[in-house]
Amino acid sequence: EPEVTQTPSHQVTQMGQEVILRCVPISNHLYFYWYRQILGQKVEFLVSFYNNEISEKSEIFDDQFSVERPDGSNFTLKIRSTKLEDSAMYFCASRTDGGRGTEAFFGQGTRLTVV
Amino acid sequence: GNSVTQMEGPVTLSEEAFLTINCTYTATGYPSLFWYVQYPGEGLQLLLKATKADDKGSNKGFEATYRKETTSFHLEKGSVQVSDSAVYFCALNSGGSNYKLTFGKGTLLTVNP
Repeated sequence: EPEVTQTPSHQVTQMGQEVILRCVPISNHLYFYWYRQILGQKVEFLVSFYNNEISEKSEIFDDQFSVERPDGSNFTLKIRSTKLEDSAMYFCASRTDGGRGTEAFFGQGTRLTVV
Repeated sequence: GNSVTQMEGPVTLSEEAFLTINCTYTATGYPSLFWYVQYPGEGLQLLLKATKADDKGSNKGFEATYRKETTSFHLEKGSVQVSDSAVYFCALNSGGSNYKLTFGKGTLLTVNP
């Protein structure tokens, strides 16, 4: 069964360093997302990507964040200068078109720890 | 804006007990409603969904009914198993051009033998 894969599963980084979280969405999907979950809090939407551009971003997704789909398969989230409060589980998701009832498929997540 | 409020956990039950996890929502328009489950060490998986009022989603013995009048989508299972131990997330999608999901906080369920 097709699945969304994320790497790495865990990432520890020093404050101020750049990190890149990687995702391989399901191949025929059209919409791509990043969500995050700070420990004990809600899963929060960060950004959606469609037709090779950002289609929506939340207020969390400031200038320190960027996304790319460089080669038609990978979908990456870059945090330019990490802060302690960026420590969270980051989930990548993808879906086909088909209306609001179509499910999004999620990866296993990357746990980012900023020290 | 959209929001989802889920029953606070953790919830601990004995095997074969009845499970209810409450979920209420606030949304514009007519959202689709979802329950996602996260088993230990795994990603979020769709458990069930309902796309319009009075629809019942069901899967693996779990059920939830879309109640527009009470803006609720409570998850139920008549007899839980140890293997149901996981975190359960209620979510909605109110459409728009991006179909992003709004999640509840998640409820940790532990089922003891």
